[in-house]
Amino acid sequence: GQQVMQIPQYQHVQEGEDFTTYCNSSTTLSNIQWYKQRPGGHPVFLIQLVKSGEVKKQKRLTFQFGEAKKNSSLHITATQTTDVGTYFCAGGDTSGTYKYIFGTGTRLKVLA
Amino acid sequence: EAQVTQNPRYLITVTGKKLTVTCSQNMNHEYMSWYRQDPGLGLRQIYYSMNVEVTDKGDVPEGYKVSRKEKRNFPLILESPSPNQTSLYFCASSFSGSSYNSPLHFGNGTRLTVT
Repeated sequence: GQQVMQIPQYQHVQEGEDFTTYCNSSTTLSNIQWYKQRPGGHPVFLIQLVKSGEVKKQKRLTFQFGEAKKNSSLHITATQTTDVGTYFCAGGDTSGTYKYIFGTGTRLKVLA
Repeated sequence: EAQVTQNPRYLITVTGKKLTVTCSQNMNHEYMSWYRQDPGLGLRQIYYSMNVEVTDKGDVPEGYKVSRKEKRNFPLILESPSPNQTSLYFCASSFSGSSYNSPLHFGNGTRLTVT
């Protein structure tokens, strides 16, 4: 079945350093979404990318969707302690089943 | 306020004792889904529903049942819970009228412990 691998599983950074998490799918995705889950909280939608090669920015966060629509990345510039949490990607299935395929998540810890 | 409400937040039970986790959304969403979250495994889909009376298995449906008799409610039923069902459970909903998957709205989660 379709799988979405996400790396790294964990990342510790010093406050002010940059951070990137990557998602790779075994098959082409219709779109990709990114979610953030704060410690003890629930996943919250951040952004959706639909077009091949699309790049979107939200303040210090930059999201990219690969040309082949099989991979995506989330880059945070100059991390802050408020960025702590687990970041998930979720790919849209192309077979028409309206399925969300979640990556395994990257847990980010920011050291002050 | 638009929200997905799950109850209870915490539940400790014993093996074999039937339980139901409720989920309700007030956004008139067609799509609803249940996930379990375990360390290192991310979010795995248990069951989902595209609309009333339409349900389908996700990736890990064994040991679970669902029903969708009304649009707003999507309860998760464990007929005979076992310790390997100890996990953090999330209900989620979304609008399903667009060509692409719409953003999911998640409930606050239910932490289930089966002893």
